[in-house]
Amino acid sequence: GAGVSQSPRYKVAKRGQDVALRCDPISGHVSLFWYQQALGQGPEFLTYFQNEAQLDKSGLPSDRFFAERPEGSVSTLKIQRTQQEDSAVYLCASSLAGLRPNEQFFGPGTRLTVL
Amino acid sequence: AQSVTQPDIHITVSEGASLELRCNYSYGATPYLFWYVQSPGQGLQLLLKYFSGDTLVQGIKGFEAEFKRSQSSFNLRKPSVHWSDAAEYFCAVGGREYGNKLVFGAGTILRVKS
Repeated sequence: GAGVSQSPRYKVAKRGQDVALRCDPISGHVSLFWYQQALGQGPEFLTYFQNEAQLDKSGLPSDRFFAERPEGSVSTLKIQRTQQEDSAVYLCASSLAGLRPNEQFFGPGTRLTVL
Repeated sequence: AQSVTQPDIHITVSEGASLELRCNYSYGATPYLFWYVQSPGQGLQLLLKYFSGDTLVQGIKGFEAEFKRSQSSFNLRKPSVHWSDAAEYFCAVGGREYGNKLVFGAGTILRVKS
């Protein structure tokens, strides 16, 4: 079946613009994660959904970042009033629910460049 | 808090040579450990994972890793490297206590000489 897909793959924004990044998880995967990967760094956790419930948003760097998953499938990460420090690759991952961390399947990421 | 250290930023090996990538973790409970590989412009692909049981785990593409609790390590190994193994490798730790999110190391870039 299809893997995790993300769109757009590349996004260039002017500082101050709002952006929306989309993630389509693997069908049937209950858990969905967003990570931010700065250049030369490992991915860092942003937020986690189980179905439509956002269970953990402790990694969101500021109140300019907002994520939703209204129907428990597709998720959108929105960044308002983008800043240059928001430039990074944003990775989405999905997994089956379970009592322990199951394999997280990652999408190809959206590379955001803020000018 | 959980953390992961990958002490080597870059490693260069000759094709056919053996490989070991180091990973040390800090975690207050039983860790779940993962190795992922990332090729340029690609997402992360899981190589192998450790949850419990046998401390030597086998993964895809001929990789293996050994969990050593006493050393808080989970080093990745491959007996003979192929040119196609050139990529960036990430070690990660997770656990129920942290809501199943993963904490990643900074990564090790592997270069393969022909």
